[in-house]
Formats: sequence, C-alpha cells, structure tokens
Amino acid sequence: SQQGEEDPQALSIQEGENATMNCSYKTSINNLQWYRQNSGRGLVHLILIRSNEREKHSGRLRVTLDTSKKSSSLLITASRAADTASYFCATPQGGSEKLVFGKGTKLTVNP
Amino acid sequence: GAVVSQHPSWVICKSGTSVKIECRSLDFQATTMFWYRQFPKQSLMLMATSNEGSKATYEQGVEKDKFLINHASLTLSTLTVTSAHPEDSSFYICSARGPGQAYEQYFGPGTRLTVT
Repeated sequence: SQQGEEDPQALSIQEGENATMNCSYKTSINNLQWYRQNSGRGLVHLILIRSNEREKHSGRLRVTLDTSKKSSSLLITASRAADTASYFCATPQGGSEKLVFGKGTKLTVNP
Repeated sequence: GAVVSQHPSWVICKSGTSVKIECRSLDFQATTMFWYRQFPKQSLMLMATSNEGSKATYEQGVEKDKFLINHASLTLSTLTVTSAHPEDSSFYICSARGPGQAYEQYFGPGTRLTVT
C-alpha cells in the first residue's frame, strides 16, 4: 500500500525559481526519504530526515518534517533545467527495511 | 560508492518465454535487495524482498511462481519473469540498502521489459 502521497502531482516552473513539493504519510515513521527519478531511469537518493529532525539541508535542497502533521516538504532553490525529474518521498513500512513510495511529483523546469 | 547495476537495461521477448534480469551491487555487499515494478507515470510498487541465502519474501498479490527471485551471492540477485505475457511489460527496478546501517536504498538503473 502507498503511504506517502505527494502534492502537487505535477509542477512546472521557470529556471531560477524555487520548487516546493509536499508529502503526507499515514503511520509513525523513524525516517523519511526523498528520491529523484529521471525519465526512464532508476531512483537517486537525495536526502533522509529522521523523525527527531525538523529540517535538513543538502546543497540546494531543504527538507522539513512535521511528525505531528505527518507531512514533509522538499524545497529546491534556484532550480535548473537539470532538476527536471520526478520526485518521490518514501517511508519505511512498519519497522522493516521496506520502503513505501508516494505517487511522486513530476517537476519540469523550463529554461 | 554504493553503486547498483542492472542488466539488461531493456529487453523484448515473445509471449511464453522467460526473461532473467540481474541486479548487482558493485562496491558493497548487499544481504538484502528489493525488486520493484513501475508502470508508466506511476510510482514504484514493491514486488519482493530478496535475501541472500534464503527464500525471497513476496508482497501480497505477487505470484512467486511467475517472478522467480534468486539471491545467489552477497552481490547478485536475479529476477526471472517466467512465461511472460504482454501484461508483464513494465519497468523493473532493483535496489539494495547501503553498506553498514544505512536506511537509504541505492537503486539500479532499471530494466524495461516489453513482451510481444
């Protein structure tokens, strides 16, 4: 079953603008992860935020986690055309190693 | 580090034949690998968890006799789609948890299977 649900499903912006994607989940987690998938390719791990963290940065990426609302957001600042991809949040299923992926947000950055 | 490869990257086969997809961890040992299936414009659906030296654990609704998984070594897992049908056409992706106690998974580039 899918636990993470991304919002919006699709986002189109101009280069240089910021892109914000949101993810909601249903059960308690110990971490939440964001992945990127270029068209027809595998997924690339972007960032992991633990349940005791509220915000994390990695380069132009900023992730927040609100465990009370069971939601997370991914902000990409100063977007580039190369950021065009689908972005997925993923959470562990129960206490296992399995990851449950959301439906993803398709981001298009126009040059 | 933590590179996962898949082979082949794409394959076309005829209905009724079997296809084997390989997933390798290139620079680390992976006792557990995962196999996902992804339909166009959809998310990844976990098919099974592949455990080195033991039987794979399949998700509900996944036919274990149709999708044979073998985790022969700490760096290799294979998925065989037996008696393939057009509805098995999909993008198959494997992943492995990173070395040590990492939570994140490292994904292969995927295999596009088309059954004619």
